[in-house]
Amino acid sequence: DQQVKQNSPSLSVQEGRISILNCDYTNSMFDYFLWYKKYPAEGPTFLISISSIKDKNEDGRFTVFLNKSAKHLSLHIVPSQPGDSAVYFCAASGETSYDKVIFGPGTSLSVIP
Amino acid sequence: DTEVTQTPKHLVMGMTNKKSLKCEQHMGHRAMYWYKQKAKKPPELMFVYSYEKLSINESVPSRFSPECPNSSLLNLHLHALQPEDSALYLCASSQEGGGMSDEQFFGPGTRLTVL
Repeated sequence: DQQVKQNSPSLSVQEGRISILNCDYTNSMFDYFLWYKKYPAEGPTFLISISSIKDKNEDGRFTVFLNKSAKHLSLHIVPSQPGDSAVYFCAASGETSYDKVIFGPGTSLSVIP
Repeated sequence: DTEVTQTPKHLVMGMTNKKSLKCEQHMGHRAMYWYKQKAKKPPELMFVYSYEKLSINESVPSRFSPECPNSSLLNLHLHALQPEDSALYLCASSQEGGGMSDEQFFGPGTRLTVL
C-alpha cells in the first residue's frame, strides 16, 4: 500500500513557465514533508521541505504548498529552467527520530527550451 | 565538506562472490542509511544506523549485512546475491535519526549488477 503517491509519472513544461508537481499521502501521522530532486546517475538531492504546522514554504524559485485536510502537497517551480529537468521525489515522515522517510514513486520533469 | 561518498561507483559480481559497498561522510551526522533503488522506482529503505547502532532493519535478507565501524563510515557486505538484487544502492546520512527537520544527504550510489 503506497503511503505517498505521485500520480503523474512524467510532466513536460516550457522553459519560463510554471511547473507544478503533485503529491498525495494517506497516513495522517506524517508530520514533515520533503522534496528531493534526482538527476540520472546521481543520488537524490534535498530541495525543500515543509512542516505540517505550515501551509507554504518558499525558497527562491521553489514553493511547496501543503493542504493537510486534503492530504495533498505540491511543488511549484517558477520560472522553470532546462536544468530543472530531473526526477522529483516527494517524501514524508513522522515526528519522531524513529520514523523513517517514505518516498513517493517520483515524477520525471522535462523542461523544454 | 557536505558530501557523502560511495565506493565503488559500479560493481559486477557473481552469485557466489563476496563484496562490500562503502559509504563515508564527514559532516558529523549521527544517522546513516542504506537504500536500494530499482529503475523508475523510489528509493526503498534497507537499514538505518543511529549513533552507530542498527535502529531499523527493513526485513532485508541476510545476504545483505550492514556494518557501521564508526560514525563516519557505513559498509554493506554482500554475499550470495541473486540477479534480482541488481539495483542502485544509495547511502545517505542525516544529523539525527530521521523524522522532523532531518534532511538526508545522499551519496551518488553504487550501481550493482549480479550475474
